[in-house]
Amino acid sequence: GAVVSQHPSWVICKSGTSVKIECRSLDFQATTMFWYRQFPKQSLMLMATSNEGSKATYEQGVEKDKFLINHASLTLSTLTVTSAHPEDSSFYICSALLSSYNSPLHFGNGTRLTVT
Amino acid sequence: AQKVTQAQTEISVVEKEDVTLDCVYETRDTTYYLFWYKQPPSGELVFLIRRNSFDEQNEISGRYSWNFQKSTSSFNFTITASQVVDSAVYFCALSLRDDKIIFGKGTRLHILP
Repeated sequence: GAVVSQHPSWVICKSGTSVKIECRSLDFQATTMFWYRQFPKQSLMLMATSNEGSKATYEQGVEKDKFLINHASLTLSTLTVTSAHPEDSSFYICSALLSSYNSPLHFGNGTRLTVT
Repeated sequence: AQKVTQAQTEISVVEKEDVTLDCVYETRDTTYYLFWYKQPPSGELVFLIRRNSFDEQNEISGRYSWNFQKSTSSFNFTITASQVVDSAVYFCALSLRDDKIIFGKGTRLHILP
């Protein structure tokens, strides 16, 4: 079946550094990928929609300059947390949409980011 | 505006008991999809079911069953004969034509041995 791979699974970084998270669709082409953030014991909140070959669409309240999204190919989207701060510590999870309309979204296993 | 409400924040039941997780949704669209996902402690999201707004048939998959009622805007999930491995956070979710998934706040289910 379709699989979405997310890397790294966890990362610890120092405050002020940048961290890149990759989301790959392994056996299908994903024209659209979504990035979510989940704080401890809370729900998943959509951060942005990533479309291959175009700029990402950010949800209200998400800083586009802080959370850089690049979807350079049909199988890869990246999220870069720039100048990370402790409050950016969270669980980031991506999902990919198959080309057919509203197929079940496939989720990566998530990346746990800790900023010290 | 779209919204998914999971009123039960946390539920604890003893193993082998049946448990129902409630989900109420709000949308003005006539075309929408409803989902249930399981999130075990390891964090990954496990897809359980998708139901479109035109299909009100209930579904059973092993010990899992879902009851979709448009009249009450509910999409409840029942686990029969619960097992310890069912312990997880369960999310009900809604998506519209733009494919964005809106999640409820989740219900943390504890199955006690």
